[in-house]
Amino acid sequence: QVQLVQSSSELRKPGASVRVSCEASGYIFTDYSINWVRQAPGQGLEWLGWIQTRTGTPTYAQAFTGRFVFSLDTSVSAAYLQINSLKTEDTAKYYCAREGASGWHDYWGQGTVVTVSS
Amino acid sequence: DIVLTQSPDSLAVSLGERATINCMSSQSVLFNSNNKNYLAWYQQKPGQPPKLLIYWASTRASGVPDRFRGSGSGTEFTLTISSLQAEDVAVYYCQHYYSPPRTFGQGTKVEIK
Repeated sequence: QVQLVQSSSELRKPGASVRVSCEASGYIFTDYSINWVRQAPGQGLEWLGWIQTRTGTPTYAQAFTGRFVFSLDTSVSAAYLQINSLKTEDTAKYYCAREGASGWHDYWGQGTVVTVSS
Repeated sequence: DIVLTQSPDSLAVSLGERATINCMSSQSVLFNSNNKNYLAWYQQKPGQPPKLLIYWASTRASGVPDRFRGSGSGTEFTLTISSLQAEDVAVYYCQHYYSPPRTFGQGTKVEIK
């Protein structure tokens, strides 16, 4: 069965970096893109962007260009989200989600909580 | 960017009654070449990731009960829960995938009256 398993919670200080992993199983990893979505505490869903797993080409929402970096390791069927120069407002749960045939998100990871606090 | 506005922000419905959630898009998400609406609906229960309910505006995802129905076209969409069950208490989000960024609506919280 399709599964996306994310890394565990992280606590960082402002200005630091963090990397969230998303390990896929149950399907051919390079057949489906991976999207990243975040949810601040008590708030709604915010789409960060996606990475095409066949080519490694990332696409970022405007608000997430610069400090946010998507990457892959196809040898272990994993996608990564790195956030640099962390700000307190980056505190959120970050989800990876598999992209279905035409853009909907059909399978989601369990989420990784990133807390940024001094 | 396409902005999706859901209404209402929250609603309370009696068990067995109908719940209706609206999603209005700032521009059409109907792709003329294939006549498909690039809109999905998700359900998120507390402490869980979102779950895909509907794609192409009206196609139920695998395993989704038929009491969930998506409708609409162009810029106006509706998610209807025909007979609310206790397990349907959740926040519901619409999302378009017409073009990046694939924005979400702000969410609608459904509770039991």
